[in-house]
Amino acid sequence: GAVVSQHPSRVICKSGTSVKIECRSLDFQATTMFWYRQFPKKSLMLMATSNEGSKATYEQGVEKDKFLINHASLTLSTLTVTSAHPEDSSFYICSARGSVSSYNEQFFGPGTRLTVL
Amino acid sequence: QKEVEQDPGPLSVPEGAIVSLNCTYSNSAFQYFMWYRQYSRKGPELLMYTYSSGNKEDGRFTAQVDKSSKYISLFIRDSQPSDSATYLCAIYNFNKFYFGSGTKLNVKP
Repeated sequence: GAVVSQHPSRVICKSGTSVKIECRSLDFQATTMFWYRQFPKKSLMLMATSNEGSKATYEQGVEKDKFLINHASLTLSTLTVTSAHPEDSSFYICSARGSVSSYNEQFFGPGTRLTVL
Repeated sequence: QKEVEQDPGPLSVPEGAIVSLNCTYSNSAFQYFMWYRQYSRKGPELLMYTYSSGNKEDGRFTAQVDKSSKYISLFIRDSQPSDSATYLCAIYNFNKFYFGSGTKLNVKP
């Protein structure tokens, strides 16, 4: 149990386009989802925390108008990178916490590798 | 000061060796400590978590917390090539998770 999926696993896009990444909890209800960004050989950087039905809480330095997060249901959250630029190229990972997990536990998706040309 | 710092590695050991992975943290109030394993191009998976201080053992893995020195460790006994991955320490505090930068481990057959 406690499986989180992400789609797409890899996306390549042109500069200036928008990209949507989906994060789904497959077998549990995710009351909270986290979005991370990971650079090569670097730590996971928390971008935002979203609770179902509420606006996401963004970390300092993360542009909320650029990284739009929607958590409209208990099984789905989306991250939209608007007007993507090459510096947005990174590995984006979501995680979820919910009905099957204790408050200090989270389950990660497999990640989405974004390359902006 | 970062909440958690981790030895970057990489670490290369022969099969069967005992591996020691370490992190230090900044805030003595932190209580929940976790170790994740991340294979290349995959999301992290939880290996173990401990609360407060002491040891926790699960098969070949032992997690240790030393609150007096703000030091957390993961020991892997009888390491296997399948243990080759990046290991991330993490701390949970007030609805946030803080991650170390990860140590890349390579276990050579």
